[in-house]
Amino acid sequence: DQQVKQNSPSLSVQEGRISILNCDYTNSMFDYFLWYKKYPAEGPTFLISISSIKDKNEDGRFTVFLNKSAKHLSLHIVPSQPGDSAVYFCAARDLRAGNKLTFGGGTRVLVKP
Amino acid sequence: DTAVSQTPKYLVTQMGNDKSIKCEQNLGHDTMYWYKQDSKKFLKIMFSYNNKELIINETVPNRFSPKSPDKAHLNLHINSLELGDSAVYFCASSMSRSSYEQYFGPGTRLTVT
Repeated sequence: DQQVKQNSPSLSVQEGRISILNCDYTNSMFDYFLWYKKYPAEGPTFLISISSIKDKNEDGRFTVFLNKSAKHLSLHIVPSQPGDSAVYFCAARDLRAGNKLTFGGGTRVLVKP
Repeated sequence: DTAVSQTPKYLVTQMGNDKSIKCEQNLGHDTMYWYKQDSKKFLKIMFSYNNKELIINETVPNRFSPKSPDKAHLNLHINSLELGDSAVYFCASSMSRSSYEQYFGPGTRLTVT
């Protein structure tokens, strides 16, 4: 039972353009949503988060949007840079389940120079 | 200066063996986690400890046993290894049991032959 889904396994974008990554969830008890970035042979690194009571959070080139009624969130990267090429994981936190993070399957982003 | 470290990075062993993976964090965090990334690349929580107390124990075979000698260390012992245990295991930590941001180690790739 996948509670967090990333339906696009990969995304290719030109340098300087916008990358949009999508994530859907089913559990309405999630209170925080996070995006992690992962390079090969490394652990995931925290990128940006959003509380379930917000609809937007921005940090430099990264913006996360939350549509709670649709149970959907997205990550926008503008402008995309070659160093952004990585796998991006969407994760959702359920505090009542012991601060457990539930991850989506990841989206591989390739930014072409 | 590594925040969350794991040893070994790679582990190749035969079915039926018993092995351990060690994790240490120097962030002063109270809570530590073990995640498993399977062949489909999903990251799933296995265990969580807060100040040496077990707080998350997902549906994991009892061949897997976490051990936390102190709050900076969380080791994973696996008995009677099976082919299906082959995966990448990630250790993570958070400041407290309610902090949503988790910091991940580099992972240990376990291959059971």
